Amino acid sequence: DGGITQSPKYLFRKEGQNVTLSCEQNLNHDAMYWYRQDPGQGLRLIYYSQIVNDFQKGDIAEGYSVSREKKESFPLTVTSAQKNPTAFYLCASSIVPGQGFTGELFFGEGSRLTVL
Amino acid sequence: AQSVTQLDSQVPVFEEAPVELRCNYSSSVSVYLFWYVQYPNQGLQLLLKYLSGSTLVKGINGFEAEFNKSQTSFHLRKPSVHISDTAEYFCAVNSYNNNDMRFGAGTRLTVKP
Repeated sequence: DGGITQSPKYLFRKEGQNVTLSCEQNLNHDAMYWYRQDPGQGLRLIYYSQIVNDFQKGDIAEGYSVSREKKESFPLTVTSAQKNPTAFYLCASSIVPGQGFTGELFFGEGSRLTVL
Repeated sequence: AQSVTQLDSQVPVFEEAPVELRCNYSSSVSVYLFWYVQYPNQGLQLLLKYLSGSTLVKGINGFEAEFNKSQTSFHLRKPSVHISDTAEYFCAVNSYNNNDMRFGAGTRLTVKP
């Protein structure tokens, strides 16, 4: 089945450690996104990428880094510079504006990061 | 850029009662409109979307929404809710030509027996 796979589902980290969250999609989508979700705050955009080897900062990029070396993959690294990393992280993908564009985002199941 | 306001952060309702979750949006360009549902510790699942045409949109699980351009609203409704509808619901808007999805803060629907 086509979809988006995020791993791990749950992750615990000690303060001062970097951690990388995986996101893989087989939908052949050009665009991929990372969102952070905290209770009562909805979804906040961390980074997005519209094409391989290119990405842009979203609203809350500080303390995070990404890469887009392959169309299918968009890993997110939560660095030790992120002051409050405990959150639920969601990866999404979409096609880009052009033929067939409907604006819809497709989401993975999420990764819950807890810093101890 | 567009924005979305969900007017209720929490909506408690009894089982089999009707429910309406309210959503207003703001945009200077033509937009697509969406409702997503999120169950605990899961990703977002598309309930329904408005692209064009009929202003009444039907989605999964018996939900429907009505696009009102003059009031810039896209309220979600269900005539009779079930316990299993308890979840977080997000309204979202994306522009026709610029892939810039914006989400509301979410409405927590709690269905009580």
